[in-house]
Amino acid sequence: EAGVAQSPRYKIIEKRQSVAFWCNPISGHATLYWYQQILGQGPKLLIQFQNNGVVDDSQLPKDRFSAERLKGVDSTLKIQPAKLEDSAVYLCASSLVRWGQATEAFFGQGTRLTVV
Amino acid sequence: DAKTTQPPSMDCAEGRAANLPCNHSTISGNEYVYWYRQIHSQGPQYIIHGLKNNETNEMASLIITEDRKSSTLILPHATLRDTAVYYCIVTSGGSYIPTFGRGTSLIVHP
Repeated sequence: EAGVAQSPRYKIIEKRQSVAFWCNPISGHATLYWYQQILGQGPKLLIQFQNNGVVDDSQLPKDRFSAERLKGVDSTLKIQPAKLEDSAVYLCASSLVRWGQATEAFFGQGTRLTVV
Repeated sequence: DAKTTQPPSMDCAEGRAANLPCNHSTISGNEYVYWYRQIHSQGPQYIIHGLKNNETNEMASLIITEDRKSSTLILPHATLRDTAVYYCIVTSGGSYIPTFGRGTSLIVHP
């Protein structure tokens, strides 16, 4: 079974530039999550989709971050303009149903973003 | 804000059992306890979850106290590949925001 695919694995950009990350969840998984993980901390949820609708984006900095999930499958996360503090690993995860209903989430390997 | 408390680090000898504690004193009746681990430079990996009863799978055992205020993840025969950060997460059917704390950094040494 193919896992959650993310690209690119690494990205280095200058501050004020824009960047986009792509995620392909496991086939059939309705729920998709984007997390931000700063070095030394646990992952922080940015946004949660159920199919192509947003369930929760309360922790997404909407002045610079945006995310979409086309046709309820692939998803992109964009940062524009990037700040130094956005340097982190961006993780995508998917699950069959909404987390909390006794199911597990599968994570991709993440995209490591460095803003210089 | 994580609803769990874990020791920041632990170590264990290879081949011995690793017992990782987690305190979740404010857990409510419909909340599950999940454990994930994150090996360096990888995404978190699901290990096990439980509601009330103890659970066991091919990776680990989960022991939940009767009052459900704490739990222990047991890796019965730790190997060097079990070196990772282990996260204990509490989440319910009514709140779908999986919150990770800082976890426990487990180092398995030869």
